[in-house]
Amino acid sequence: IVMTQSPATLPVSPGERVTLSCRASQSINTNLAWYQQKPGQAPRFLIYGAFTRSTGIPARFSGSGSGTEFSLTISSLQSEDFAVYYCQQYNSWPLTFGGGTKVEIK
Amino acid sequence: EAQLLESGGGLVQPGGSLRLSCAASGFSFRTYAMAWVRQAPGKGLEWVSSIISNDRTYYADSVKGRFIISRDTSKNTAHLQMNSLRAEDTALYYCAKDRLRGGGDGAFESWGQGTLVTVSS
Repeated sequence: IVMTQSPATLPVSPGERVTLSCRASQSINTNLAWYQQKPGQAPRFLIYGAFTRSTGIPARFSGSGSGTEFSLTISSLQSEDFAVYYCQQYNSWPLTFGGGTKVEIK
Repeated sequence: EAQLLESGGGLVQPGGSLRLSCAASGFSFRTYAMAWVRQAPGKGLEWVSSIISNDRTYYADSVKGRFIISRDTSKNTAHLQMNSLRAEDTALYYCAKDRLRGGGDGAFESWGQGTLVTVSS
């Protein structure tokens, strides 16, 4: 299953609402996770089941979608949210990640 | 809190072998699925392999037949034996813990800091 994220880069100002998109090449139900990665750091687990936040993840992060279309929304971008975001399907083997969306400062 | 510490990376010539280790602590290692995920320099994440309940294993096509994942529950350690290494295997290799016990589901809630593998002559 091919995961496609768009856009590749997203210039955003702090405080703005941002939505990242992720598309699966075939239906994955809601078996989708989102991760955040900052430079020099390991990925951080944000969301699973398409919309359930992992422990300790702020409420400004929300996920939605099912089937083949998914999105991650950050309601009001904070300075610590500038990072690369990856989606990943775990509906079937082999597990696959999207190419990532880099959220950068406008 | 789960902690994962990878080791074993380094510089290896094409065709060579390397064995990565992931020392786990802070959780019941034997009951969780574990995985290896890699990231080539400047690139995105790529799932490599997983080991789930009953030690069933899965591999990406790019490493199938060359890499072997295993775990030693007596030492709370997962391993990735990498053989016939290629330049395209150069990457930071992360160890990751599944969020669910047993068979897991393939969503990774905990990650180590990674160990760098460089394949070059």
